[in-house]
Amino acid sequence: GAVVSQHPSRVICKSGTSVKIECRSLDFQATTMFWYRQFPKQSLMLMATSNEGSKATYEQGVEKDKFLINHASLTLSTLTVTSAHPEDSSFYICSAALAGFNYGYTFGSGTRLTVV
Amino acid sequence: AQSVTQLDSQVPVFEEAPVELRCNYSSSVSVYLFWYVQYPNQGLQLLLKYLSGSTLVKGINGFEAEFNKSQTSFHLRKPSVHISDTAEYFCAVKPTQGGSEKLVFGKGTKLTVNP
Repeated sequence: GAVVSQHPSRVICKSGTSVKIECRSLDFQATTMFWYRQFPKQSLMLMATSNEGSKATYEQGVEKDKFLINHASLTLSTLTVTSAHPEDSSFYICSAALAGFNYGYTFGSGTRLTVV
Repeated sequence: AQSVTQLDSQVPVFEEAPVELRCNYSSSVSVYLFWYVQYPNQGLQLLLKYLSGSTLVKGINGFEAEFNKSQTSFHLRKPSVHISDTAEYFCAVKPTQGGSEKLVFGKGTKLTVNP
């Protein structure tokens, strides 16, 4: 089946530094990828939608200059948290929409970001 | 716009008991419906989905769900749960037409299976 590989699974960084999270579709081409943020014991909050070769579409309230999304190829999307602060600590999950949609959505295993 | 309501935030049950996790949605257009499961510190795994056809959908791990259009519900059921079913369960919808590919999630139901 379709697999999305997300790395790293856990990362600890210092305040003020940047962190990059990668999301790769291993055996299919993902024209559209989604980035979510999940707070403890809460649902997923969609941050942005990225389409290969174009700028990401951010949801209202999400700072695009802080959460940089790049979808340079059909198999790779990255989320960079810039100038991280402790309040950016969260669980980030990517998801890929398979072509034709009827195949559904595949989620990465998530990244636990802790900013100290 | 669409919204999803998962009526129970937590559902505790004993092993081998049946369980039903409730999901209701609101939408002015037709939707596709999904149930996902999330184990601790992991991403989401698709349990089942309703796109069209038979309103009773069977998924993985012995789960099934029934789409009820008149009640705008898509409740998830399992006749006999295992300890390993302990997880967070999310109901989600997406319009069948329109440009957006976004899923709209409910707030989740924490299922705890006790021995």
